[in-house]
Amino acid sequence: NAGVTQTPKFQVLKTGQSMTLQCAQDMNHEYMSWYRQDPGMGLRLIHYSVGAGITDQGEVPNGYNVSRSTTEDFPLRLLSAAPSQTSVYFCASRLTGVTDTQYFGPGTRLTVL
Amino acid sequence: KQEVTQIPAALSVPEGENLVLNCSFTDSAIYNLQWFRQDPGKGLTSLLLIQSSQREQTSGRLNASLDKSSGRSTLYIAASQPGDSATYLCAVSGEYGNKLVFGTGTILRVKS
Repeated sequence: NAGVTQTPKFQVLKTGQSMTLQCAQDMNHEYMSWYRQDPGMGLRLIHYSVGAGITDQGEVPNGYNVSRSTTEDFPLRLLSAAPSQTSVYFCASRLTGVTDTQYFGPGTRLTVL
Repeated sequence: KQEVTQIPAALSVPEGENLVLNCSFTDSAIYNLQWFRQDPGKGLTSLLLIQSSQREQTSGRLNASLDKSSGRSTLYIAASQPGDSATYLCAVSGEYGNKLVFGTGTILRVKS
């Protein structure tokens, strides 16, 4: 199993540009989520999905869109990038049991100029 | 709103020492608590998960305890090694195990 994969690893955008961060998992996990990690603030939940076709907002959803058309993929879209979105983005997945641990991808480091 | 605090923010110890990392949370209505390890420039690796009904979990040299009523968890690392150097994060979950709320982490350095 490849686990949770994320692409790209690094990205530089200009203010106002759009892009999609890709996340995929091959463990047949129903639950997937996106977090951003900023210095001094820990990881914060952006959006999550409990299964294909079902998404919901987390703590910091503004400026981001998600969709879940398949169990494997959960892309995160930045519609109009802003410098405040400079961060490291992590995708995670798990089975939906309460006792199941979360598996994290390696992260995407995004810089918005 | 759930808030998670980790103390200390950084810790430097000589190899071989036993050490304790602390995590506290403000809302005791959690489903589980997890401890993660993060190496520089890498993703998170789950170390231990404690269900809300449990008091502790052990894995090798790691032992995590949970006192839900007081909103506290500790991660005990026995006989620390340089390879244990990393950032340790605790996170609590609500809503059936979804929506992890993270602390800001403890940066651990084990000196050889």
